[in-house]
Amino acid sequence: NAGVTQTPKFQVLKTGQSMTLQCAQDMNHNSMYWYRQDPGMGLRLIYYSASEGTTDKGEVPNGYNVSRLNKREFSLRLESAAPSQTSVYFCASNTGTEAFFGQGTRLTVV
Amino acid sequence: DAKTTQPTSMDCAEGRAANLPCNHSTISGNEYVYWYRQIHSQGPQYIIHGLKNNETNEMASLIITEDRKSSTLILPHATLRDTAVYYCIVRPRMEYGNKLVFGAGTILRVKS
Repeated sequence: NAGVTQTPKFQVLKTGQSMTLQCAQDMNHNSMYWYRQDPGMGLRLIYYSASEGTTDKGEVPNGYNVSRLNKREFSLRLESAAPSQTSVYFCASNTGTEAFFGQGTRLTVV
Repeated sequence: DAKTTQPTSMDCAEGRAANLPCNHSTISGNEYVYWYRQIHSQGPQYIIHGLKNNETNEMASLIITEDRKSSTLILPHATLRDTAVYYCIVRPRMEYGNKLVFGAGTILRVKS
């Protein structure tokens, strides 16, 4: 039972490049989330998805797009990466009681 | 969701109880108190939650005041591995579609 799996674990991008962060959960959860965490700071919600086919903006959605491909997968896309998007990105899914988090993707934009 | 206030940081001696406070004076009747922690560079981990009664599990105890305006997370015998950022979150039950927003949390340092 893998839980929440994020890929890649590490990535370096040049300014203006695009990439997609992948997230998959095998717990049959309806809701999924994407967060970013800057050094020394708390988690900020980027986007979330209540169920397959629905997505909603969180606290800091600008510069990102998401896709809830199916119940298992929720991807985060950076269309034109900027140095300000250098961060650790966490994906999560939840039951009705608790959220489970992936181990994070460390993204550096140079 | 109701706002929460937590101390920025706390220290605790190894083996002693760690008591982490959280104020949530604007909590609504349908909102639960959730606690998570984040150990350095890992994803957050669920600890415990409660509505109005005190709760206990294998990790911690949660004490909620009668007026529900504040709560305390208790780690009964803190170890060095409990050093982490602890987040108190107040929100409706984590059902379908509800956001999960984290504040700044409390940095707990357990010292030998």
